[in-house]
Amino acid sequence: AQTVTQSQPEMSVQEAETVTLSCTYDTSESDYYLFWYKQPPSRQMILVIRQEAYKQQNATENRFSVNFQKAAKSFSLKISDSQLGDAAMYFCAYRTLYSTLTFGKGTMLLVSP
Amino acid sequence: DGGITQSPKYLFRKEGQNVTLSCEQNLNHDAMYWYRQDPGQGLRLIYYSQIVNDFQKGDIAEGYSVSREKKESFPLTVTSAQKNPTAFYLCASSPQGQGYMNTEAFFGQGTRLTVV
Repeated sequence: AQTVTQSQPEMSVQEAETVTLSCTYDTSESDYYLFWYKQPPSRQMILVIRQEAYKQQNATENRFSVNFQKAAKSFSLKISDSQLGDAAMYFCAYRTLYSTLTFGKGTMLLVSP
Repeated sequence: DGGITQSPKYLFRKEGQNVTLSCEQNLNHDAMYWYRQDPGQGLRLIYYSQIVNDFQKGDIAEGYSVSREKKESFPLTVTSAQKNPTAFYLCASSPQGQGYMNTEAFFGQGTRLTVV
């Protein structure tokens, strides 16, 4: 079974600084997708960014980028120029062609002024 | 606006009673999912459905039941057999199910169920 591990239950960052959230996964598949979802206090889940395993180039969405290390099975999320609105729970997720989404346990990001 | 609607937002029930959580989507998505979220546990899959009149158990299906009579609706019943039903429940949908792994899941706003 696939597993997704987020080893940081909580992270803190100051406004305008950069923070990196870690995610590792376990799989024997060669092709799959990885996702980062954000859950703000409203609890509405929002997709932040996605990465396909066969693409070597790291995905980027504005201030959000990933560091995808396929051999190490690592998929970290970097948030640049952090804003108060970035405060949320962040979930890493994984799926293959024949599976549903598997989520990690989440990292709570706190942003201070 | 297209989206996923879960109702109610908050639900209180007495222990031993069955309760049904509603999930409706107007995105014309084929696949629908139910997740349970507990503090420190992430999202765990309860049931999912890829087409009408078909559904599969997820990782924690015991004590739950679902139906998929219409494409847009996927209600979840929490039965009295569920040992610890108090939790936050999230419904999601995606354009296609298995076989289309790049499709993201779109989520409803959740239902907080409290059993007293």
